[in-house]
Amino acid sequence: GAVVSQHPSRVICKSGTSVKIECRSLDFQATTMFWYRQFPKKSLMLMATSNEGSKATYEQGVEKDKFLINHASLTLSTLTVTSAHPEDSSFYICSYQKREGNNEQFFGPGTRLTVL
Amino acid sequence: KQEVTQIPAALSVPEGENLVLNCSFTDSAIYNLQWFRQDPGKGLTSLLLIQSSQREQTSGRLNASLDKSSGRSTLYIAASQPGDSATYLCAVDDYKLSFGAGTTVTVRA
Repeated sequence: GAVVSQHPSRVICKSGTSVKIECRSLDFQATTMFWYRQFPKKSLMLMATSNEGSKATYEQGVEKDKFLINHASLTLSTLTVTSAHPEDSSFYICSYQKREGNNEQFFGPGTRLTVL
Repeated sequence: KQEVTQIPAALSVPEGENLVLNCSFTDSAIYNLQWFRQDPGKGLTSLLLIQSSQREQTSGRLNASLDKSSGRSTLYIAASQPGDSATYLCAVDDYKLSFGAGTTVTVRA
């Protein structure tokens, strides 16, 4: 398998502040990465897809100005939740897809965001 | 739009019993199907990936089958153990992953 890390694992912030979540692939280079969010007892919902060197493609209903994605390199992506509100509280998970292979995605451990 | 359904939503079995988890999807034009395990408050652990050209995959006590034409996959877990207690998610890849809501499994000691 492949190793994907996320930082921080848990963050609590005040309403109105911005929070940055990092996602790194530790042992491979990824062409495509994905950000998901998961509400309690619900499944994962894809937020956006980004390919190396191009802007992220956001799913319908996801505000691109609120959830800023920067695919900085083949091994690092960041998700910034701007002006966070309590309804943004969720579990955010990133995943990477390898350059070569069978389209398999490798997931990070997730970040629990709580906005007070 | 791909719709993925997992039945049952929850399952409780005594230790040693075999588990059968079902996943169905609406669009059969897929690249692959993955089964994941998720423990409470944690990320996803990939269990098995079945390519669209394959019928099944096996890993240890786990076996997953895929019938693309009928839009179904089944995950079998043999001789369940308390450590198998978790939520199991299936996800279908048709250029992006669409997840089912999961089956939460409890294995009673």
